[in-house]
Amino acid sequence: NAGVTQTPKFRVLKTGQSMTLLCAQDMNHEYMYWYRQDPGMGLRLIHYSVGEGTTAKGEVPDGYNVSRLKKQNFLLGLESAAPSQTSVYFCASSYWGETQYFGPGTRLLVL
Amino acid sequence: DAKTTQPNSMESNEEEPVHLPCNHSTISGTDYIHWYRQLPSQGPEYVIHGLTSNVNNRMASLAIAEDRKSSTLILHRATLRDAAVYYCILRANAGGTSYGKLTFGQGTILTVHP
Repeated sequence: NAGVTQTPKFRVLKTGQSMTLLCAQDMNHEYMYWYRQDPGMGLRLIHYSVGEGTTAKGEVPDGYNVSRLKKQNFLLGLESAAPSQTSVYFCASSYWGETQYFGPGTRLLVL
Repeated sequence: DAKTTQPNSMESNEEEPVHLPCNHSTISGTDYIHWYRQLPSQGPEYVIHGLTSNVNNRMASLAIAEDRKSSTLILHRATLRDAAVYYCILRANAGGTSYGKLTFGQGTILTVHP
């Protein structure tokens, strides 16, 4: 099992550009989460999903959109990137809210 | 969400035990105490969790105070690979409307010396 994978690993964007981060899990987990981590800080929840076709806002949702069209995938979109969105993004999944399994992260730099 | 308080950093020598403290004086009766750790340049990984009783697994032990206002993560023999940021997190019952969400603080940076 690959667990939780994230694509891409690293990306540089210019202010105003858009992009989509892909998270995939092969553990048949119902719940999926997107977090961001700024330097020296803990992770903060952006959005989460409790099942295919559902999404909900977390602690810091502004500037991001998400979709969960398939159970195994959770997409995070930035419509118009800003320098404040420079961060490391982590995806996680869990079986009905139990232990979360995290991906390796995507490093995003917005210039 | 109930908050936790952890020391910013701790140091240990290899092969010695490490006791990482966590204070959570406002814990509610249904909050589970979870520990995750984050190795350099990696995503967090689950370490252990408990509700009231002490817990052991292959990675660590969790000692929970009788009043549940504090807990201690115990690494019995630290290795260089245990150098990481350790997060103590209170998590509401996964079956409720919290949906297993985790609120991360800044954690404790553990340095292990050879």
